[in-house]
Amino acid sequence: GIQVEQSPPDLILQEGANSTLRCNFSDSVNNLQWFHQNPWGQLINLFYIPSGTKQNGRLSATTVATERYSLLYISSSQTTDSGVYFCAVGYSGGGADGLTFGKGTHLIIQP
Amino acid sequence: DTGVSQNPRHKITKRGQNVTFRCDPISEHNRLYWYRQTLGQGPEFLTYFQNEAQLEKSRLLSDRFSAERPKGSFSTLEIQRTEQGDSAMYLCASSLDHYPGKEQYFGPGTRLTVT
Repeated sequence: GIQVEQSPPDLILQEGANSTLRCNFSDSVNNLQWFHQNPWGQLINLFYIPSGTKQNGRLSATTVATERYSLLYISSSQTTDSGVYFCAVGYSGGGADGLTFGKGTHLIIQP
Repeated sequence: DTGVSQNPRHKITKRGQNVTFRCDPISEHNRLYWYRQTLGQGPEFLTYFQNEAQLEKSRLLSDRFSAERPKGSFSTLEIQRTEQGDSAMYLCASSLDHYPGKEQYFGPGTRLTVT
């Protein structure tokens, strides 16, 4: 199956700093999503980005499908950005449409 | 659009008991997925439905796990003869079935504790 590696595993930053989270995957995909998991366990959709670049406020993401990686950028971090960020990938059409998740990046933003 | 809902939110059960969780997807979504998340890990895919058809169940963790979606709307996940290793968060997600609408949206999860 597809392997997903996220880096760094942990990241501690001061409020206002910028950060880049990386997701590498081992095979072709046609689904890639970034999530933020809040302290209560809810997965919040950030981006659906199997290829290309998207921006939403202080967050942006880029996926280079041919090189099998995706990047999530967070600018001007706020304490509310703290939590675990997951990258998840999938390939539809092969029968198993479930997403394969990485282990996540645990982000702590200090005031 | 009320989002994906799951009930109960928390369940504590004794080892050996059976438990059942319910998931109500976003109303217009015809795909429904179940995942399990253990502490410190990302969610792990278990099974999924398109309408009432279960299209993938080889990832279910053992024959003690089963899922149904009898009318193509809500789904249930049952664990029989629970074991302490079943303690985890069980997540449900839904999506449309046509590209590019396959973005999955997750419910709040059911946290199971087996004592």
